[in-house]
Amino acid sequence: GQQLNQSPQSMFIQEGEDVSMNCTSSSIFNTWLWYKQDPGEGPVLLIALYKAGELTSNGRLTAQFGITRKDSFLNISASIPSDVGIYFCAGHSDDMRFGAGTRLTVKP
Amino acid sequence: DTAVSQTPKYLVTQMGNDKSIKCEQNLGHDTMYWYKQDSKKFLKIMFSYNNKELIINETVPNRFSPKSPDKAHLNLHINSLELGDSAVYFCASSQFQGSWGTQYFGPGTRLLVL
Repeated sequence: GQQLNQSPQSMFIQEGEDVSMNCTSSSIFNTWLWYKQDPGEGPVLLIALYKAGELTSNGRLTAQFGITRKDSFLNISASIPSDVGIYFCAGHSDDMRFGAGTRLTVKP
Repeated sequence: DTAVSQTPKYLVTQMGNDKSIKCEQNLGHDTMYWYKQDSKKFLKIMFSYNNKELIINETVPNRFSPKSPDKAHLNLHINSLELGDSAVYFCASSQFQGSWGTQYFGPGTRLLVL
């Protein structure tokens, strides 16, 4: 299936700053997922969202399932160097689609 | 203990060869998956098995044949390898079909076809 529109493609931020990234689609999804991938590793699930409007936190991470069911965002507050990596969104309805990833660099 | 393991981690082979990648999960999950991640980091689901039965079969050439001898194992056999098959292949598992929030990925198999 067509990939999701994820932005930004990359971010360079200073340690301590907040980060925001989002995914949009022309299709409706029943589930939104956010993953983080470190170099040489497999993706690790950060947050799973199952209902429109749902807002879920996991430590410094917060994600929301858009009310239209066509978008989702992920926020990271007070970034630290170990937040470096590629963040992927994924949406599932009849099939599973992924965003192209947001590559995050955090400067100490 | 590793939750989802794959072997080999690296695989370099010639075009036209046949190769297999093995995956095992020790989480007691019912559902297992194969994903492909290309050089641009696009992730795409290829197959999903639930209790040894094929559930998802995305548009993948039939040179790719998954096999699940039991619910803890899902292997991927690739016939007549092509240059475009070069990618990282990830195995994953989840507690049951559709329980995406319980999904764990393996470390990946980096396949390079020369």
